[in-house]
Amino acid sequence: ILNVEQSPQSLHVQEGDSTNFTCSFPSSNFYALHWYRWETAKSPEALFVMTLNGDEKKKGRISATLNTKEGYSYLYIKGSQPEDSATYLCALPRGFQKLVFGTGTRLLVSP
Amino acid sequence: EAGVAQSPRYKIIEKRQSVAFWCNPISGHATLYWYQQILGQGPKLLIQFQNNGVVDDSQLPKDRFSAERLKGVDSTLKIQPAKLEDSAVYLCASSQGDEQYFGPGTRLTVT
Repeated sequence: ILNVEQSPQSLHVQEGDSTNFTCSFPSSNFYALHWYRWETAKSPEALFVMTLNGDEKKKGRISATLNTKEGYSYLYIKGSQPEDSATYLCALPRGFQKLVFGTGTRLLVSP
Repeated sequence: EAGVAQSPRYKIIEKRQSVAFWCNPISGHATLYWYQQILGQGPKLLIQFQNNGVVDDSQLPKDRFSAERLKGVDSTLKIQPAKLEDSAVYLCASSQGDEQYFGPGTRLTVT
């Protein structure tokens, strides 16, 4: 069983704050890690696919890092805006084109 | 490119009633997934199709849930009879490789 954990479960910040969340996973047999953003009433949207230890990816104010040796990935949001309010999910592949998801971090950004 | 379509978007039923959800994947995507996301948990894979064949249905409660993908395109997921614990968002996704593309989901409330 592949155990993917995310923390914190939820987060409430003020507009302009920077924030970060964690995705933890077993470090053995690592292949890739996916980050998704899921806004309420919309489709989950792919943010990053990370494969290499030490990888850092950036999309606007959102960036992610990966440490496969210790089994974690951080997602950072710089200068949070209300439109960043969403659930952020990480997922790891298992088997044939399958993903195992973490429980997600629910972010609320207040104006 | 049109995304993954799902209907209905919301459904409220009483326990012991039946309900069906429909999914139209991205054109040309051979793999189709149904996920169940209960509040506070990550999406859990219910069933995975490759064209019109089932790849994995190990987590599908087969006594009440059924799914089909006739002709290898659209898919329906049915619950009969529904229980209170089936209240969740049901997500459909499709892929033609490792990256999955999600629909907006159907939010089911069982009262």
